[in-house]
Amino acid sequence: QPVLTQSSSASASLGSSVKLTCTLSSGHSSYIIAWHQQQPGKAPRYLMKLEGSGSYNKGSGVPDRFSGSSSGADRYLTISNLQSEDEADYYCETWDSNTPVVFGGGTKLTVL
Amino acid sequence: EVQLVQSGAEVKKPGESLKISCKGSGYSFTSYWIGWVRQMPGKGLEWMGIIYPGDSDTRYSPSFQGQVTISADKSISTAYLQWSSLKASDTAMYYCARRTAMVDYWGQGTLVTVSS
Repeated sequence: QPVLTQSSSASASLGSSVKLTCTLSSGHSSYIIAWHQQQPGKAPRYLMKLEGSGSYNKGSGVPDRFSGSSSGADRYLTISNLQSEDEADYYCETWDSNTPVVFGGGTKLTVL
Repeated sequence: EVQLVQSGAEVKKPGESLKISCKGSGYSFTSYWIGWVRQMPGKGLEWMGIIYPGDSDTRYSPSFQGQVTISADKSISTAYLQWSSLKASDTAMYYCARRTAMVDYWGQGTLVTVSS
């Protein structure tokens, strides 16, 4: 089954940009993933679906500041013009025919 | 508008049984998988299992197989997660989530506390 690896933490300054990484395990580099945001004390929220080509489709109401890109087995979430409300945990997700849902360990983003 | 509304917080004793619910609205409930996700205090998301309400096809994560039961009543657009004998280690937030290819909508969560 695919495994997703994320850095445990990241930080960036208010108004700057940050790029979070989700890496697919060997043999799964073409897989589509999804990004989810979980603000403190809240339920997760779907952000976008991201393909290996770098094409992405965002969920309803997701600000333009959020974008996705891909390179090989790496899937990226870029947040531009960071706001205080972007401080959250970010999870990537993938799936295959044997395992309907696989989550990465999550990245805790701190906005300085 | 797609909504998944979960039942309220529960406080139980070890050994007790429990069934929590997730009601879907704003879409065809029988046409999408519904999954359950555990989040223990301060930890990440863990997939528990998933059900297709249209035909009740159910799949469990190996980590949760035999520990919980997932079901659905399509007549009332509701999915369930149940335990027959709770343990203190079941204390966690539980989320239901709609799945197309990926999870695209989440419930608000149900906090389950198991304590003697």
